[in-house]
Amino acid sequence: DIQMTQTPSSLSASVGDRVTITCRASQSISSFLNWYQQKPGKAPNLLIYAASSLQSGVTSRFSGSGSGTDFTLTISSVQPEDFATYYCQQSHSMPYSFGRGTKLEIK
Amino acid sequence: EVQLVESGGGLVKPGGSLRLSCAVSGFTFTDYSMNWVRQAPGKGLEWVSSISRSSSYIYYADSVKGRFTISRDNAKRSVSLLVNSLRAEDTAVYYCARQISGSDASDMWGQGTMVTVSS
Repeated sequence: DIQMTQTPSSLSASVGDRVTITCRASQSISSFLNWYQQKPGKAPNLLIYAASSLQSGVTSRFSGSGSGTDFTLTISSVQPEDFATYYCQQSHSMPYSFGRGTKLEIK
Repeated sequence: EVQLVESGGGLVKPGGSLRLSCAVSGFTFTDYSMNWVRQAPGKGLEWVSSISRSSSYIYYADSVKGRFTISRDNAKRSVSLLVNSLRAEDTAVYYCARQISGSDASDMWGQGTMVTVSS
């Protein structure tokens, strides 16, 4: 099974900061990497699919990059509504594993 | 409007069973594979099971294999998860999610249904 290592597990940032979250796969997953945002008590929301494709309706503040085993999610200028938990997920091979999440908190 | 609505959760004793259901609307159901994903209280997301458009391909996480059964009824536009032999560690919110063809990302999610396993 493919293991997804997401770092950091938590992150403090101020409004307007540029933030980067990293996800590493235990083996190559090509570009089969997705990013989700989840707010407390809510279902996850797809932000980025196929490593770098922005989901319809998602602000362009979010961007994704990477291929193979190393991936990043970048928020160009953090806004108040971005404080949430972020998860990566590989969809290269079953089981479609998630990272453990990164909680983005207000500094 | 795309909607996924889960139901069937509740409090059940260890060893018990439940049938979780997800009713969908607002899209062509037969165009999409469907997933179940769960989240234990205060924990991260765990993929549980997937079913392809015509039920030809079914997958389970090792943690539920042999105890959970996924199925779908395309005529009724619904996907179900039969959860048997429940354990305390199965306590979680269970989400159904639509899977995008190609990337296999989950682009639409239900609100979730809570399963609590406790004596």
